[in-house]
Amino acid sequence: SQKIEQNSEALNIQEGKTATLTCNYTNYSPAYLQWYRQDPGRGPVFLLLIRENEKEKRKERLKVTFDTTLKQSLFHITASQPADSATYLCALPNYGGSQGNLIFGKGTKLSVKP
Amino acid sequence: GAGVSQSPRYKVTKRGQDVALRCDPISGHVSLYWYRQALGQGPEFLTYFNYEAQQDKSGLPNDRFSAERPEGSISTLTIQRTEQRDSAMYRCASSLAARKETQYFGPGTRLLVL
Repeated sequence: SQKIEQNSEALNIQEGKTATLTCNYTNYSPAYLQWYRQDPGRGPVFLLLIRENEKEKRKERLKVTFDTTLKQSLFHITASQPADSATYLCALPNYGGSQGNLIFGKGTKLSVKP
Repeated sequence: GAGVSQSPRYKVTKRGQDVALRCDPISGHVSLYWYRQALGQGPEFLTYFNYEAQQDKSGLPNDRFSAERPEGSISTLTIQRTEQRDSAMYRCASSLAARKETQYFGPGTRLLVL
């Protein structure tokens, strides 16, 4: 079955630096991969989706890459701010599952220090 | 407009009791998803619906768990004869259509089984 690994449970960086979070998956390459942000006590909020035929996607200070050879997605936040502190989750469709069957990683907790 | 709402927000019950958790999706959203999220983990897929049809229930842990969405809008997740291991955050999400991958999450119901 498909598995997701978000390598760092926690990442601490200084304000203004670029945060880079990693999402690795096993087995097959999914049709797309998503990144969500989750704040304490709240539900995940969708940020970006990247498809298997896209190498890179950008949205404001966010950038996502998708390398199907490495079976990896990288999520970058440039010019990070304390308000970016949250847990970031990657998600992808479960192999052999229905269209709505997503699996999520454990998440990486990002802390941006002023 | 209103987002996904869930009720109750908190539920404390005794082992062996049945509980019903309610999800009210964003108006007009075709697809509705149920997840369970343990502390420090990403959401774990349980089941999902397109309109009133349950498309995939492969994530339901056992036959004590069931879900319905009789009119294609509000959904209820029912847990019969609750056990302590059922204690978790139960999250609902909805999406505009089956092929629209972006899921919008509700605030969740925190279930505690004593």
